[in-house]
Amino acid sequence: AQKITQTQPGMFVQEKEAVTLDCTYDTSDQSYGLFWYKQPSSGEMIFLIYQGSYDEQNATEGRYSLNFQKARKSANLVISASQLGDSAMYFCAMRVRNNAGNMLTFGGGTRLMVKP
Amino acid sequence: DADVTQTPRNRITKTGKRIMLECSQTKGHDRMYWYRQDPGLGLRLIYYSFDVKDINKGEISDGYSVSRQAQAKFSLSLESAIPNQTALYFCATMRTGSNTGELFFGEGSRLTVL
Repeated sequence: AQKITQTQPGMFVQEKEAVTLDCTYDTSDQSYGLFWYKQPSSGEMIFLIYQGSYDEQNATEGRYSLNFQKARKSANLVISASQLGDSAMYFCAMRVRNNAGNMLTFGGGTRLMVKP
Repeated sequence: DADVTQTPRNRITKTGKRIMLECSQTKGHDRMYWYRQDPGLGLRLIYYSFDVKDINKGEISDGYSVSRQAQAKFSLSLESAIPNQTALYFCATMRTGSNTGELFFGEGSRLTVL
């Protein structure tokens, strides 16, 4: 069975500092993808970054980067130079392909709070 | 306007009432999904549909039903709502053949069952 684990229910970070949000996954599939979504207090789900299992380079999108360690089955999100607007819930998700097509499984989320 | 629209955005109802959450999309995607979000549990899949004639149960389908009225419309029903169905519900779409499998979410429907 596919599983995503986010072990940090909540985290604080000082404004302008970098922060790492942890995500580990479990799958026996060779082909899979990993996502991070942001959920601000308004509730919508915002796509941040994607990493494919065969991608050799770590994904980056502006201040977001995904630290992909395949052997450790981890896909941590790194946010550089934190801003107050980064305060939100963050969800890690894994996409696997089965007979039904692409399916996403989500972790329990990490609430990040940025301190001024 | 949002590409994936959910109505209502907020609803308070009583135990035993029938509730329908509606989702419509303008992205032209064939695949549509309903998830519920609970604190600490993330998002869990309720039902999904790959086209108008295709409906599939997800991880937590008990107590829910769905209808895919058209390619663009996918509704979720709670036939007899109970308090533990209080949650934030998301509709999402995915493009058939997507290499990444990215989901595009609606704004969410917050349901409270008293």
